[in-house]
Formats: sequence, structure tokens, C-alpha cells
Amino acid sequence: QKEVEQNSGPLSVPEGAIASLNCTYSDRGSQSFFWYRQYSGKSPELIMSIYSNGDKEDGRFTAQLNKASQYVSLLIRDSQPSDSATYLCAVNRNNQGGKLIFGQGTELSVKP
Amino acid sequence: DADVTQTPRNRITKTGKRIMLECSQTKGHDRMYWYRQDPGLGLQLIYYSFDVKDINKGEISDGYSVSRQAQAKFSLSLESAIPNQTALYFCATSEGDKLRDTQYFGPGTRLTVL
Repeated sequence: QKEVEQNSGPLSVPEGAIASLNCTYSDRGSQSFFWYRQYSGKSPELIMSIYSNGDKEDGRFTAQLNKASQYVSLLIRDSQPSDSATYLCAVNRNNQGGKLIFGQGTELSVKP
Repeated sequence: DADVTQTPRNRITKTGKRIMLECSQTKGHDRMYWYRQDPGLGLQLIYYSFDVKDINKGEISDGYSVSRQAQAKFSLSLESAIPNQTALYFCATSEGDKLRDTQYFGPGTRLTVL
């Protein structure tokens, strides 16, 4: 089992819809969780971080964390074609601060 | 100018050659990282450095070595390149709380080993 798992996709949603991206992790001691967006051929950029159970909203993006279920998700409301990218989930484990473990990424395609 | 730069941006080399990928940053961060990315595999950590005198192996360090020449410079070497090292390589930097830091990535180096 991979430490951080994501559905590789592609996930296709129509413009204006909600895109839901999911991530599970295996280390129950994980403390911090991040979502990075990566456009094709470009470097990853951080779009959301979450540290506590519950929801965290930033504009059209909402990160959701459930530590009991070892599950973190990213919702993108009113999806736009410019949101089409690969979304990487990353986890920072409690005993290895400063190191991130990345999932394989989910490719999102938003159709006009 | 970009905060994290990588050189070269593209490199084609032959099996058995030694090559060096360089990373420089103007962000003043202490922590620096080297990752490789293969299609469908996300980012895998090769080496990381929390300061100039602290260098550590990551998940996939075999076949690679690094040098932290200064706070701002972190180089990755492939002593004898092999075709399965063909990948996209990213350098990243971070600072602050190790559990909550944001990593900032360079533009990447696309390496092809023939």
C-alpha cells in the first residue's frame, strides 16, 4: 500500500461544476496535509494546506480533513477550464518534519 | 527573477556520463530538496538538506549524490547516468515550522538519458 494514494484520473467535469479530489494516507501520525496544483510541464504550486479536522475554505477551494478515516479531499467549486491540471496531495508525517510524501496526483479536466 | 532557479532546464546525455543539475535560490531558506517525477508516480524525494551541514537521503537516493555548496545552492549529481534516470527533476526550498512549511519549487530540469 502506498503511503499517500490518489485516483490518477483523469477526472472530467463540466465548467461550473464541483470537482472533488480525494486522497488517503496510511500513517496515522501524519500531521499536515497539502494540495499542490501542477500544470502540464510546470512545477507544483501550493494551493491549500490543512492541519485540523474539518473544512478549510479559500475562495473556490475547500480542503476537508478526516484524521480518523485518514482521508483528505479538495473541492473546487465553479470549476473553470483554467483549473485543468494535475492535483498532488502531500502529507507531512509527525516524526519526519520537513519532508513531504506525495501521492501520484489526480489529473483534472474541466470541459467548457 | 525567479526565486528558485534550476540549470540546465533540459539535458540529453548518454549512459555512463556524469552530469550535475544545479539549484539556486534567493529566498533565504535553509531547507532544500531534490525530487524526481515520473509519469503517474508523483514526486519522489531523492535528497534533502536542512542546512549546509545537514544532508539526508530520501526515498530514492541510489545512483545520486548531492552537494550543498552554500545556503543558496544545492546540486544533484548522477555519477554514471542510466536510462531509467530519465525523468523531470525538481528542486524545492522551505523554511519555518517543519510540520507546516510550504515548499517552493523550481521550474524543473528535464533529463533524458540515452
